[in-house]
Amino acid sequence: DIVMTQSPDSLAVSLGERAIINCKSSRSVLYGSNNKNYLAWYQQKAGQPPKLLIYWASTRESGVPDRFSGSGSGTDFTLTISSLQAEDVAVYYCQQYYSTPWTFGQGTKVEIK
Amino acid sequence: EVQLVESGGDLVQPGDSLRLSCTASGFTFSNYWMSWVRQAPGKGLEWVANIKQDGSEKYYVGSVRGRFTISRDNAKNSLYLQMNSLRAEDTAVYYCAREYCGGGGCYRSFHHWGQGTQVTVSS
Repeated sequence: DIVMTQSPDSLAVSLGERAIINCKSSRSVLYGSNNKNYLAWYQQKAGQPPKLLIYWASTRESGVPDRFSGSGSGTDFTLTISSLQAEDVAVYYCQQYYSTPWTFGQGTKVEIK
Repeated sequence: EVQLVESGGDLVQPGDSLRLSCTASGFTFSNYWMSWVRQAPGKGLEWVANIKQDGSEKYYVGSVRGRFTISRDNAKNSLYLQMNSLRAEDTAVYYCAREYCGGGGCYRSFHHWGQGTQVTVSS
């Protein structure tokens, strides 16, 4: 199984400041034939189901604010919130969909400092 | 608007069986792979199982293989999860999720989620 490891486990950021979440996979999730990274990011607010933010490592889902961006390739990925808003308080998960079983990171809790 | 509504969650004893349902609307259900994803109390997300559009392919996480069965009824726009020999560690909120199809293929990112149904296994 591909193990997904996120860092940090939690972070506190001031409103308007940048938040950076890292995700590392135990094997590359870059598929050579199409040059796509099979990596997604989700946001889960308290008491709600997860919401897809980013797929193919850097493609923003429709309706997601452009302050959210994804980057990286192979085994190392980053989710950046460029200017943290109060409504961004949540737990964020990365997920690989390169090989079964599809696995998630342990989550990163983002709070307001 | 895509809607996924789960039902069937309950409090059951270890060794019992339970069947979860997910009713879909707002899209052509038969065009999409579907998954079940669960979340234990205070824990992260765990993919459980998925099923191809016509039901011909099914995949499971190792911890449920042989105990859980995923199925679908495209005529009823419904997804199911039959859970047998339930254990305490199966206690979780179970989400139904629609996978992504686009660019000529289908992929295992989860673009739409239901609100979830609670399964509690306890004596």
